Amino acid sequence: GDSVTQMEGPVTLSEEAFLTINCTYTATGYPSLFWYVQYPGEGLQLLLKATKADDKGSNKGFEATYRKETTSFHLEKGSVQVSDSAVYFCALSEGNSGGSNYKLTFGKGTLLTVNP
Amino acid sequence: DGGITQSPKYLFRKEGQNVTLSCEQNLNHDAMYWYRQDPGQGLRLIYYSQIVNDFQKGDIAEGYSVSREKKESFPLTVTSAQKNPTAFYLCASTDSYEQYFGPGTRLTVT
Repeated sequence: GDSVTQMEGPVTLSEEAFLTINCTYTATGYPSLFWYVQYPGEGLQLLLKATKADDKGSNKGFEATYRKETTSFHLEKGSVQVSDSAVYFCALSEGNSGGSNYKLTFGKGTLLTVNP
Repeated sequence: DGGITQSPKYLFRKEGQNVTLSCEQNLNHDAMYWYRQDPGQGLRLIYYSQIVNDFQKGDIAEGYSVSREKKESFPLTVTSAQKNPTAFYLCASTDSYEQYFGPGTRLTVT
C-alpha cells in the first residue's frame, strides 16, 4: 500500500538557519502530496500542497517540489523563525484529487524547534 | 466562520467506561474522518464516512464505533474494548481536495 517516510526528529535550529525536512513516498498511482503543520496542542493545518509532478507548493516562506523521479517532496525554508517551531507532517492522498475515496496517508511527523 | 469543532478539549475517564467524542462541521462537507495521534506514530485513521448513514473502518478501528446520522456530525465512541485509549483524537472533513482538521480532543483513561 501507499506509505510516507519522513526524516525523524527532533530537529533543532537557530533562528535564520536553513531548514530541510526530507519526505519520500511510495504510491501505486499519481498521488497529491501535502505538508501539514501542527502547533502545540492544536489540530493540523495545511501548509502547502502539490498535485502533479514538478509542481512546487509554497506558503509562508516554505516550499516543496513534487519530484516523481525520486518520489520525494522535501520541505525547505531559507530562514526559520522561532514561530516556526511545530510538528511537520508529510502526507499523500490516495487516488486523484476530487475522487470519492479521498484518504490521506501520513508520515510520522518531524518536530522542529527553533531557538532565538 | 466555517470550521470543525471538537469538544471537549480534554477528557478524563476511568478504565472500563465508554466515552463519546464530539465532532461537528459547518463546511457542508460530505466526507469526515477520525484519526488517532500518539507520540512518534503520526496520524492513524480510525474510521471515515463519505456520506450520511455510511462509514468505513480505517486502519485501527478495533475498540471504536461511529455514527453518521447527520451531515454535520460524526461522533466517535471509544469503547471499553479499546486496549490503549489514551491519545489525542483528531477529526477532519474534506472537500476532496484538502482535509480540514479540528483542534483535537485529548483523552486520558486511568
